[in-house]
Amino acid sequence: GDSVTQMEGPVTLSEEAFLTINCTYTATGYPSLFWYVQYPGEGLQLLLKATKADDKGSNKGFEATYRKETTSFHLEKGSVQVSDSAVYFCALNTGNQFYFGTGTSLTVIP
Amino acid sequence: ETGVTQTPRHLVMGMTNKKSLKCEQHLGHNAMYWYKQSAKKPLELMFVYNFKEQTENNSVPSRFSPECPNSSHLFLHLHTLQPEDSALYLCASSQAEQGVGETQYFGPGTRLLVL
Repeated sequence: GDSVTQMEGPVTLSEEAFLTINCTYTATGYPSLFWYVQYPGEGLQLLLKATKADDKGSNKGFEATYRKETTSFHLEKGSVQVSDSAVYFCALNTGNQFYFGTGTSLTVIP
Repeated sequence: ETGVTQTPRHLVMGMTNKKSLKCEQHLGHNAMYWYKQSAKKPLELMFVYNFKEQTENNSVPSRFSPECPNSSHLFLHLHTLQPEDSALYLCASSQAEQGVGETQYFGPGTRLLVL
């Protein structure tokens, strides 16, 4: 069935380090792909999305490219900040249902 | 108010209590959702309402009872809960019928503790 798999956490990085959080998906058809972020004590916030193959979503210095050939949507940021500490969720929408990954916790230390 | 709001933000209740969670969306959407988020578990979809009609109920125990009086408001009525029901309850909304372009927007959640 349709699903999303993202890398296990937690991830701990020093400030200004490069971030990659891997996400792969299984889906029939042509889903849309999303990254959501959840800061402590809050709900999920949409970070970025891509609706078709080769699209790049970007926001707040984060980027992810919809790769159909590798069924991936990896999240990247060139230089993380302490304020990026949060849990990141990859998700897909098949048009009938949303599927969320299990979340990857990121801690950025000064 | 903008986006999706939820009240209360925190709730402590005994197993014999009855309480309700409220969600309101200010985005003009026509679909609303309840999710349960427990520690170290994937996000669990509980209920879906499209155009005020319940379209999905993912085998949720009857001690959880949803209500959607209109497309902007969603309630989750709680009664005789168990300690394992303690979790963060998230409400979301979206504009249905957009197919794969549909995006869900979440509220801040209600942190529920059942004693």
